[in-house]
Amino acid sequence: DSGVTQTPKHLITATGQRVTLRCSPRSGDLSVYWYQQSLDQGLQFLIQYYNGEERAKGNILERFSAQQFPDLHSELNLSSLELGDSALYFCASSLGTSGRTDTQYFGPGTRLTVL
Amino acid sequence: TQLLEQSPQFLSIQEGENLTVYCNSSSVFSSLQWYRQEPGEGPVLLVTVVTGGEVKKLKRLTFQFGDARKDSSLHITAAQTGDTGLYLCAGAIKGDSWGKLQFGAGTQVVVTP
Repeated sequence: DSGVTQTPKHLITATGQRVTLRCSPRSGDLSVYWYQQSLDQGLQFLIQYYNGEERAKGNILERFSAQQFPDLHSELNLSSLELGDSALYFCASSLGTSGRTDTQYFGPGTRLTVL
Repeated sequence: TQLLEQSPQFLSIQEGENLTVYCNSSSVFSSLQWYRQEPGEGPVLLVTVVTGGEVKKLKRLTFQFGDARKDSSLHITAAQTGDTGLYLCAGAIKGDSWGKLQFGAGTQVVVTP
């Protein structure tokens, strides 16, 4: 158990819909990261937040948005869903210290299926 | 195209054999990490290497970071069935935000009794 929690575990929805994925970081961690893992693309970095502020952005679509709240939990919002958005979405957290060895701990993931 | 190329994509060996997984890139990384991922779970960090030429050992696992910090390898000695999993390398490109990890596609390792 990494200490990172993600809800829901599974999500099945239809094209065009909007969903929200939730992540609670490990106690004491200030940074939260979102990743998408699909069979054809592998694990892709989407976005990072540190103490409520966006810190780094990856290949995140405009239909996707995220935020980190004052209690440090984070939400990833996916809208106008397409079949190709079906994937595992992982949240990770870290202390957020500025260093090359800042370890990211991954949650168990949310499996999104778009029908 | 993956920034980090892992090879092989799939490896099946018997218990007791050795194996090596490679992770290569044309980019320089400020640090490189190896993860293992089990089905239905998130990746778990095995090791972080930060210095070119660095070698780290974790029981039967040996990790090496290339001198130019563009490549890495993971060697498992006397593999056990518990080593089965998806091995992922990931790195932060030099000059990029240290939190922005680029992942390889992974090497699926299957160790049979």
